[in-house]
Amino acid sequence: DTGVSQNPRHKITKRGQNVTFRCDPISEHNRLYWYRQTLGQGPEFLTYFQNEAQLEKSRLLSDRFSAERPKGSFSTLEIQRTEQGDSAMYLCASSSAVGGWDNSPLHFGNGTRLTVT
Amino acid sequence: QKEVEQDPGPLSVPEGAIVSLNCTYSNSAFQYFMWYRQYSRKGPELLMYTYSSGNKEDGRFTAQVDKSSKYISLFIRDSQPSDSATYLCAMSPTGANSKLTFGKGITLSVRP
Repeated sequence: DTGVSQNPRHKITKRGQNVTFRCDPISEHNRLYWYRQTLGQGPEFLTYFQNEAQLEKSRLLSDRFSAERPKGSFSTLEIQRTEQGDSAMYLCASSSAVGGWDNSPLHFGNGTRLTVT
Repeated sequence: QKEVEQDPGPLSVPEGAIVSLNCTYSNSAFQYFMWYRQYSRKGPELLMYTYSSGNKEDGRFTAQVDKSSKYISLFIRDSQPSDSATYLCAMSPTGANSKLTFGKGITLSVRP
């Protein structure tokens, strides 16, 4: 299966700890997105990369959050000093944007579920 | 008011029923409209994707977009228990993959 892969699937951490999630996109996709989904809500956009460049960040992404995509392949999302309000499903998605056309739908991974106790 | 509003749920129907799921939106710049299906503890998977107004059919699924009313719909014919999931509408002004704005989702249960 060559879909979007996210690890770990579930992370339980104590408040104040740092956590890092990893996303491996579909190999030929040059765009990578992070979304956050809380219970009973739709996914909310956090940030996206085209290749290794981070092109947009939502104001939801506080300074405790940082995302990287160092070689334009996998990406990591780190949350520092976690708070209970950070408990959510963190979804990664990828797509292909070729020749400037922005019309390739997102393919999502199965997410990392974060629980902050 | 949220940019995208989705009919509240949950929704329960008998097998074989026709299901209508709806979203309204306020941002007239939205031009790309998608429906995603999400099973429990899984990521959303794309069901239908339409650009601008009109209808699109794929098997038992039909997506409709009415930009003049800022209203989109997903119809499911001959619903099956396997259709039981959460359905999310999503839209974007610039493309199907750039900062999608999602509705909150509606949970559908199809009873055998």
